[in-house]
Amino acid sequence: NAGVTQTPKFQVLKTGQSMTLQCAQDMNHEYMSWYRQDPGMGLRLIHYSVGAGITDQGEVPNGYNVSRSTTEDFPLRLLSAAPSQTSVYFCASSYGQGKEETQYFGPGTRLLVL
Amino acid sequence: KQEVTQIPAALSVPEGENLVLNCSFTDSAIYNLQWFRQDPGKGLTSLLLIQSSQREQTSGRLNASLDKSSGRSTLYIAASQPGDSATYLCAVSPGANNLFFGTGTRLTVIP
Repeated sequence: NAGVTQTPKFQVLKTGQSMTLQCAQDMNHEYMSWYRQDPGMGLRLIHYSVGAGITDQGEVPNGYNVSRSTTEDFPLRLLSAAPSQTSVYFCASSYGQGKEETQYFGPGTRLLVL
Repeated sequence: KQEVTQIPAALSVPEGENLVLNCSFTDSAIYNLQWFRQDPGKGLTSLLLIQSSQREQTSGRLNASLDKSSGRSTLYIAASQPGDSATYLCAVSPGANNLFFGTGTRLTVIP
């Protein structure tokens, strides 16, 4: 198993540009989520999905869209990038929502918005 | 809103020393607590998960404890090695596997 994969690894955008961060998992996990990591603030939840066709907002959803058309993929879209979205983005997945469920993280995407 | 605090922010120890990392959280209504390791420029690797009904979990040289009523967890690392150098993150889940993270403790083990 490849686990959780993310592309691209690094991206530079200009303010106002749009892009999609890709996330895929091959573990047949129902639950997937996106976090951003900023210095001094820890990781914060952006959006999550409990299964194909179901998404919901996390702590910091503004400026981001998600969809979940398949179990395997959970892309994160930035419609109009802003410098405040400069961050490292991590995708995570787990089999379910139980108390014993460990989350698996991807390697991250570093995004710089100029 | 759940707040997670990790102290200290950074720690340097000589190889072979036993050490304790601390995590505190403000809301005791949690599903579970997880400890992660993050190497520079890398993703997170789950080390231990403690369910809300458990008091501790062990994996090799690692032992994590949970005192839900006081909002505290500790990660004990025995006989530290240079390969243990990394940032250690604590995260609590209020449900649905959404995690609230601390800012981490950066550990350096000196050979």
